[in-house]
Amino acid sequence: DAGVIQSPRHEVTEMGQEVTLRCKPISGHDYLFWYRQTMMRGLELLIYFNNNVPIDDSGMPEDRFSAKMPNASFSTLKIQPSEPRDSAVYFCASSKTSGGVDTQYFGPGTRLTVL
Amino acid sequence: GESVGLHLPTLSVQEGDNSIINCAYSNSASDYFIWYKQESGKGPQFIIDIRSNMDKRQGQRVTVLLNKTVKHLSLQIAATQPGDSAVYFCAENYGTGRRALTFGSGTRLQVQP
Repeated sequence: DAGVIQSPRHEVTEMGQEVTLRCKPISGHDYLFWYRQTMMRGLELLIYFNNNVPIDDSGMPEDRFSAKMPNASFSTLKIQPSEPRDSAVYFCASSKTSGGVDTQYFGPGTRLTVL
Repeated sequence: GESVGLHLPTLSVQEGDNSIINCAYSNSASDYFIWYKQESGKGPQFIIDIRSNMDKRQGQRVTVLLNKTVKHLSLQIAATQPGDSAVYFCAENYGTGRRALTFGSGTRLQVQP
């Protein structure tokens, strides 16, 4: 089975540019999570969806960040405009409801560098 | 996908020894805990989990111990191998109906051959 797929794996962009990160969750999973990992703050939850509906976006840093999930097999995280402090590794994870808190499976991440 | 880097606590062990990685969690209401392993350039990988109604759970070469009194979690790896070298994170879940996890800062395990 394919795991969580993220693209691109690496992104280098200049300050002020728009950046779009993409995620395909594991087929059949109904939860999708976006995390950010930095040296200073570790792994932080940005937002998560259940059945394509955003449930908790309290971790989204500011209005420059937005996330969508138009269908069960695709999600995007957009940063517009990007800033150097957005440089981090962004992970997508998915899980399947099984009656309790469910194991989250992570993608390989997108390393974002904003110059 | 580099994991959290230079300022992580590091545990260095000899190949074949047992490893114990510790984690203090923050919320006494947390009811579910997970250990993840993150190798360089990869996303976190599930190792083992435990619910708050248990104090011990065993997997293949790994054991997780939960002490709710002092809010402490540990991961024991038996017969540590070079392939176990990675950063290990504990994560907790709290809040009724909340599915998100809160991650600890991680511990780097280095296995010396």
